[in-house]
This record gives sequence, structure tokens and C-alpha cells, in this order.
Amino acid sequence: EAQVTQNPRYLITVTGKKLTVTCSQNMNHEYMSWYRQDPGLGLRQIYYSMNVEVTDKGDVPEGYKVSRKEKRNFPLILESPSPNQTSLYFCASSNGYEQYFGPGTRLTVT
Amino acid sequence: EDQVTQSPEALRLQEGESSSLNCSYTVSGLRGLFWYRQDPGKGPEFLFTLYSAGEEKEKERLKATLTKKESFLHITAPKPEDSATYLCAPVGPGGSYIPTFGRGTSLIVHP
Repeated sequence: EAQVTQNPRYLITVTGKKLTVTCSQNMNHEYMSWYRQDPGLGLRQIYYSMNVEVTDKGDVPEGYKVSRKEKRNFPLILESPSPNQTSLYFCASSNGYEQYFGPGTRLTVT
Repeated sequence: EDQVTQSPEALRLQEGESSSLNCSYTVSGLRGLFWYRQDPGKGPEFLFTLYSAGEEKEKERLKATLTKKESFLHITAPKPEDSATYLCAPVGPGGSYIPTFGRGTSLIVHP
């Protein structure tokens, strides 16, 4: 089954404790991206990747890092999380014609 | 800067009452426009990609159309299970293929 998976689905952490949210796709897509979704603000892009080792900033990249060492994986790293990064995060992958989203990771930073 | 506006923000329909959702955009050099359905707390579900003005695509009770300035999602004889937020996302020119999302239209269909 073609899908985008994210882990963990839910995470509660404390300010400053580094964390990684994993994302994997099994569709051999070149494009992958991370979004955050907040009430009243909609989906905002954090980072995107056009291929292995090629990443670029989206609209709200501050406080986040990504890497694309393999085509199927695109982890999101928060080196020092802060409460304003509490949000619902989505990973997505695309072949340029269709874009598919993961189930989301709900992150709470206290 | 690319702008995407969806209207109305919220829409309540009775089952069987057809209507249309609007997505206006100011993306120059449009490469494509995505439509998604999103249920609360879940990831957006891909519905359609439209590429050029005049194009139409259908899926069950949904039909998406595209002009040079806007796209419409027509819902014919909706059912309660069509209740969701519908998002549009045009894609502009450039080397990346990354869409810009509108805020969405929240649709509730009453039985």
C-alpha cells in the first residue's frame, strides 16, 4: 500500500530537549516536505526537499532542521524545542503530479 | 507573493443541497492546483490536480474546475460523509514543486 508514515504520532516533551520526527514514503517520490498546521493559520511549509541531499527552507523554517540522506526518508529535527513549536506536523511526498500526506504528529512542548 | 483565498470559510448544507467552494489565487505561471479533503486531526487526503484553465475532474459527488484566476469545487447532492475541510493549493513556477495552501473551507452536511 502506497503511504507516508510518521513517527511518533503523539509527543509531549519539555523545552530544550532535542527530538526527531521521522517520515518515510514507499512511493519512490522525489519531492518531500514538512508542514505545520495551527488553528487559524492553516498549513505552513517548514522545509522541502527536491531530491536526496537537496533541501530548502519553506515559509517557517526557524527552529527546525531536516536531512535527506535517502530518497524514502525525510526526518524533521527540533534541536531545542520551544512552546511555540507546539503544533500538528505533517510530512508529505509528491511525484510532481500528486501529493500525499502522512497521518500527522501532534507535538506538545511544555 | 503568491496569494490563495478560499471562500466561504464555512458552509453548512442540507443533505442533497448542491453548492460550490471557491479558491482564488494570484500565482503567476501556475503549474498546477491541488484539491484536498481533510478530516479533523488527520492528514489532508489528495483529491485532484488541475493543470490548465478549462480543465475539469470528477470524483463521485465532487467536480473541480479551473480558470486562470480561480478554481471551483462543486459538490452535487452532498451526503453527511462529505463533511470535512476542503483545501486548495496552487503550485507556482520554479524548480520546486511545492504548493501554497489556502486556509480551507469547512463543510458540514446535515442529514
